[in-house]
Amino acid sequence: GAVVSQHPSRVICKSGTSVKIECRSLDFQATTMFWYRQFPKQSLMLMATSNEGSKATYEQGVEKDKFLINHASLTLSTLTVTSAHPEDSSFYICSASRRVLRNEQFFGPGTRLTVL
Amino acid sequence: RKEVEQDPGPFNVPEGATVAFNCTYSNSASQSFFWYRQDCRKEPKLLMSVYSSGNEDGRFTAQLNRASQYISLLIRDSKLSDSATYLCVVNGRGSQGNLIFGKGTKLSVKP
Repeated sequence: GAVVSQHPSRVICKSGTSVKIECRSLDFQATTMFWYRQFPKQSLMLMATSNEGSKATYEQGVEKDKFLINHASLTLSTLTVTSAHPEDSSFYICSASRRVLRNEQFFGPGTRLTVL
Repeated sequence: RKEVEQDPGPFNVPEGATVAFNCTYSNSASQSFFWYRQDCRKEPKLLMSVYSSGNEDGRFTAQLNRASQYISLLIRDSKLSDSATYLCVVNGRGSQGNLIFGKGTKLSVKP
């Protein structure tokens, strides 16, 4: 149990385009979903926390108008990188929490974004 | 001071060796502690939670020292498949269950 999927796994796009990444909890209802970003040789950095039906909470320094998060249901959250630029190239990972067992989070396989 | 700090690594050890990773955290109010494992270009996977009394899972032993704000992971009888980056993780200050990740320590187990 506790499987999280992410789609697409890899995307290459031109500068200026928008990219949507989906995160789904396949076999449980996720009360909260998290979006992380990881640059090479760096730690995972939390970008935003999203609860179903409410606005996402963004971490300091993350532009909410650039990284749009929609958490439409208890099993789906989407992250849209708007007007992507090369510096947005990174590994984006979502996770989902059932708020059971001490804040345990289940991670999706990640999306590798390359902006040309 | 960073919220979660780990040994810089990398650790290069032979098969069968015992290796220990250390981690310190800055928020004395933290309540949840974990070790995750991350393989190259993959997502993190939970290795084990860390409990106040210390806990063991096969070849892996985790310890927590709240007074020193220190967490450790011991791997006995290292296997080639243990090669990965080990992430020390602590719950964040928010109430929504966010996690703070250390940069990780890379382990390479050689034949």
